[in-house]
Amino acid sequence: ETGVTQSPTHLIKTRGQQVTLRCSSQSGHNTVSWYQQALGQGPQFIFQYYREEENGRGNFPPRFSGLQFPNYSSELNVNALELDDSALYLCASRLSLGGANVLTFGAGSRLTVL
Amino acid sequence: DQQVKQNSPSLSVQEGRISILNCDYTNSMFDYFLWYKKYPAEGPTFLISISSIKDKNEDGRFTVFLNKSAKHLSLHIVPSQPGDSAVYFCAALSNAGGTSYGKLTFGQGTILTVHP
Repeated sequence: ETGVTQSPTHLIKTRGQQVTLRCSSQSGHNTVSWYQQALGQGPQFIFQYYREEENGRGNFPPRFSGLQFPNYSSELNVNALELDDSALYLCASRLSLGGANVLTFGAGSRLTVL
Repeated sequence: DQQVKQNSPSLSVQEGRISILNCDYTNSMFDYFLWYKKYPAEGPTFLISISSIKDKNEDGRFTVFLNKSAKHLSLHIVPSQPGDSAVYFCAALSNAGGTSYGKLTFGQGTILTVHP
């Protein structure tokens, strides 16, 4: 399987709810990063997972959490949603020995918080 | 604190001419820089990169220049084609290597429009 697939593509939640976004990485890609892209901004690093453990986190609160599974899929969970969480969430994966130039991004999940 | 800045939100160029996209950074620890292109409804795709030990890297129509003293890099596209119309992001890494490769710091992006 090639490419990175994200689901859902669009979703709407209300403030205070919880959301789970999913990412299916390219086979063999054991490192996955998640990014938040607000409207008119560049992607902002949330965290990275390697072999099912978090190994790097950006400036995001603990209500942003993740999971990585042995089948190269991963999840981003956001609790207690706030209006500012409205954004495009991007998943990116690579082989652990690969450089940044082989980081493969998905098309993203667009979250709207009302 | 915006560590990577693309100060031009948009750029319009005629087909066949040169497109120059600019990027400035403030973090001296950045040692690897990349350009990504993004079409609507698609994820960013890697275009070209440069290590801080170089000042130029070329790949076909795309050339990236790095001026470390000015903390400035630019992407040149020659000749520009209508298919190049997209959002271009500059990104940077510090301590490039191993696990750091997934932790990119992006600029805000520049919308490039190439007119036929």
